[in-house]
Amino acid sequence: EVQVVETGGGLIQPGGSLRLSCAASGFTVSDNYMSWVRQAPGKGLEWVSVIYSSGNTFYADSVRGRFTISRDSSKNTLYLQMNSLRAEDTAVYYCARDRLDSSGWYRNDYWGQGTLVTVSS
Amino acid sequence: DIQMTQSPSSLSASVGDRVTITCRASQSISSYVNWYQQKPGKAPKVLIYAASSLQSGVPSRFSASGSGTDFTLTISSLQPEDFATYYCQQSYNTHALTFGGGTKVEIK
Repeated sequence: EVQVVETGGGLIQPGGSLRLSCAASGFTVSDNYMSWVRQAPGKGLEWVSVIYSSGNTFYADSVRGRFTISRDSSKNTLYLQMNSLRAEDTAVYYCARDRLDSSGWYRNDYWGQGTLVTVSS
Repeated sequence: DIQMTQSPSSLSASVGDRVTITCRASQSISSYVNWYQQKPGKAPKVLIYAASSLQSGVPSRFSASGSGTDFTLTISSLQPEDFATYYCQQSYNTHALTFGGGTKVEIK
């Protein structure tokens, strides 16, 4: 069964750092594209970052230079290192597997339950 | 970045109603649109990919169409479990995926 489980959220002061983890089972993280998507309280979905199976990484403008996506193949785990956190980064952070099928169609097909990050003094 | 504009932002409907949600892209994106359903406190769930393809396991009352810049999601007969928020997403630019603002479907 495919599953992803996020951990690492919590309360952090502005300017602080936090690392989120996303443990996967039922598939290999490094063989897939993987994304982080966040949702501020009461707001819509915002894509944050993606790592391709090739290792290429991309970021939303709002987090570029502050967040880093990475993976550990030995642990089958995806990470999001978040530095210089701001109040506006407060959100539930979801990890999602990205399915790119043989026809080139792309979607986020498996999501974790999310982990809440609260940036506040 | 490609902007996705959804409308309406919310709607009220009754069980059995036909519901249509629209999404407009800021540039032509062929059929690279996905639709997601999100219930309160839960992760989003993909319903439709490639503008009109039903994700495995999704009921056939959900359908979608469109190409270029204009897309629609239709629920043919609204069921109690369909009250949720729906999001479109463009996957034309996988370096910068973007979502619409969401449409909350509420009980009338």
